[in-house]
Amino acid sequence: EIVLTQSPGTLSLSPGERATVSCRASQSVRSNYLAWHQQKPGQAPRLLIYGASSRATGIPDRFSGSGSGTEFTLTISRLEPEDFAVYYCHQYSTSPQTFGQGTKVEIK
Amino acid sequence: QVTLRESGPALVKPTQTLTLTCTFSGFSLSTNGMCVSWIRQPPGKALEWLARIDWDDDKYYSTSLKTRLTISKDTSKNQVVLTMTNMNPVDTATYSCARQYGSSGIDYWGQGTLVTVSS
Repeated sequence: EIVLTQSPGTLSLSPGERATVSCRASQSVRSNYLAWHQQKPGQAPRLLIYGASSRATGIPDRFSGSGSGTEFTLTISRLEPEDFAVYYCHQYSTSPQTFGQGTKVEIK
Repeated sequence: QVTLRESGPALVKPTQTLTLTCTFSGFSLSTNGMCVSWIRQPPGKALEWLARIDWDDDKYYSTSLKTRLTISKDTSKNQVVLTMTNMNPVDTATYSCARQYGSSGIDYWGQGTLVTVSS
């Protein structure tokens, strides 16, 4: 089973700042089948990035994903008020699929 | 448009079997590459993937829960059913179904249904 470890657990930033969230896999994620999901309180998660770097439909270009193998990164170039949420990485290359433990991006 | 909706009991007793139904629209589970996964999230905790069923009826399960889980589909009704046996209070969570299609991974989520396990 691939274990995904996200860092940091919490990111305290101000609107307009850059956010960087890391996701490390315990073994290589085949075909870079790594996604990022955003979840706001009381809401279902929403797909942001798939295939490590492809933005999902309707996702603003301030969201970007990068990485390969075992190291992946989600970057939000300039935080908007609606971006404060919890972010999860998710690998779907190998069953069982797994999620990271989540990173909370909170207002400083 | 693609929608998924979970239904099932809000409360189950310890040792009982939970049966959840995912009813979806906007896609067909007979389409090559189409899959439906179940994911759960205990209150205040992280997402946990549970199971997946594919268009060709292949099935995959969480390693830690596979002895308790069964996933099935009824393509004609656009439904996927998940059963979990021997429910325990630690299984209290919001259970969600989600569409998974090819290289896009999970691209649509249901709103989820909260299941509480208590006597």
